Amino acid sequence: QVQLVESGGGLVKPGGSLRLSCAASGFSFSDYYMSWIRQAPGKGLEWLSYISTSGSTTYYTDSVKGRFTISRDNAKNSLSLQMNSLRGDDTAVYYCARTGRYTPDYFDYWGQGALVTVSS
Amino acid sequence: EIVLTQSPATLSLSPGERATLSCRASQSVSSYLAWYQQKPGQAPRLLIYDASNRATGIPARFSGSGSGTDFTLTISSLEPEDFTVYYCQQRSNWYTFGQGTKLEIK
Repeated sequence: QVQLVESGGGLVKPGGSLRLSCAASGFSFSDYYMSWIRQAPGKGLEWLSYISTSGSTTYYTDSVKGRFTISRDNAKNSLSLQMNSLRGDDTAVYYCARTGRYTPDYFDYWGQGALVTVSS
Repeated sequence: EIVLTQSPATLSLSPGERATLSCRASQSVSSYLAWYQQKPGQAPRLLIYDASNRATGIPARFSGSGSGTDFTLTISSLEPEDFTVYYCQQRSNWYTFGQGTKLEIK
C-alpha cells in the first residue's frame, strides 16, 4: 500500500533552516510528481511546491519562492524540502503528497505530516 | 490566483440527513476541482476529483457536481464519521484550496 512518511520537523529560531524528508513506499516513486503542502495551526491548506518525476522541473508558491527548495532522490524513494530564512508564519504541519503519475494532478495520497515550529 | 470560497463555514445536521456543501471559484476552473475530507489530527483524504469522480475506496454516499465556478459536494445520508472538515481544491491554475466547511452534529 502507498505510504508517505515525513521526518525532520521540529523547533527552529526565526531566520534558521530546517530540512524535511518524505520516505515513499508502495508505489513506483519515480513515476509520480510530488508536492509539499502545509497547514498552519487551526488554519486551511496551502500548496507550497511540486517537483516533476525526474526532478528537472520545480514550482513554488510565491510565499516560499527563494527560501524553500524541493528535491527528490528516485534511487532512495525520497522527497525533501530545504527550508531557509524561516519566519513565524512558516509554523505549520508540513505534508508531502503524491501529485499525479507522469503529469501534475490532484493529491491522492498524503503523509501524516511533520510539525515545524518557528519561534525564538 | 484563483480564490475558492466555501459555504457555509459550518453546517449543522443530524446523522441520516443529506449534506450539501458549496465551493465557488473566483474564475472558471472548468472541471478541475477536488474535494478532501480532513479528520482531526489526520492528513486530508481525497474524496472527489475532476468535480464528480469518486476517488478509490470512497463510499457512494459522497458525490460531486458542478463545472466552471460553482461546485457542490453532496453526502446523501450522513454517517457519524462524516462529521468533520471538508476542503475544495482547484488545479486549473496552480493549486489553491478553499477555507473549509465544518460539518457538525446538530
